[in-house]
Amino acid sequence: AQSVAQPEDQVNVAEGNPLTVKCTYSVSGNPYLFWYVQYPNRGLQFLLKYITGDNLVKGSYGFEAEFNKSQTSFHLKKPSALVSDSALYFCAVRVNYGGATNKLIFGTGTLLAVQP
Amino acid sequence: DSGVTQTPKHLITATGQRVTLRCSPRSGDLSVYWYQQSLDQGLQFLIQYYNGEERAKGNILERFSAQQFPDLHSELNLSSLELGDSALYFCASSATSGRQEEQFFGPGTRLTVL
Repeated sequence: AQSVAQPEDQVNVAEGNPLTVKCTYSVSGNPYLFWYVQYPNRGLQFLLKYITGDNLVKGSYGFEAEFNKSQTSFHLKKPSALVSDSALYFCAVRVNYGGATNKLIFGTGTLLAVQP
Repeated sequence: DSGVTQTPKHLITATGQRVTLRCSPRSGDLSVYWYQQSLDQGLQFLIQYYNGEERAKGNILERFSAQQFPDLHSELNLSSLELGDSALYFCASSATSGRQEEQFFGPGTRLTVL
């Protein structure tokens, strides 16, 4: 079965420190991977995606993610965390669903808490 | 602001009732997706429409149905509501139906079934 896993329910980091939010995937074929962020009482916002090419993908708000095929991972990173980065982060993989259709499968989400 | 609008923002209703959630996609987007977010199930894909036609079905109950109209807005109909249907329902849109495209999410409709 095709899936995506976020092994940490919560990540705590001090402001100014680097942060990593982990994601691993299991798909057949080439994965199309996405990161979304959800602030309280808001919809999901797109951060970045990996389709092909360079394994290091840069996205919004200073976030980046590293695609690692051998480890089937797509971890989200930021060199210096801000308190305003505190939110719920979702990793997602786009899978074939038959023919031209496809759907996003989301991980369970990781709550990032950045302490001042 | 993603450009995707959803109404209403909140909905409180009773078991057995029927409700309709509405979504307007970003200007020019042809695909609309519906998702359900709940504490126990997480974010689950329900259904996708592309240019008025159903494209994919996910974990959507038979009591639920959706449609996309010629002006591309979409409605999700939930009937014979149960307590377990209480959740946040998101609509998302994308330009076409390509695997490479990111989806843009609306703010959601919070449904509470009492």
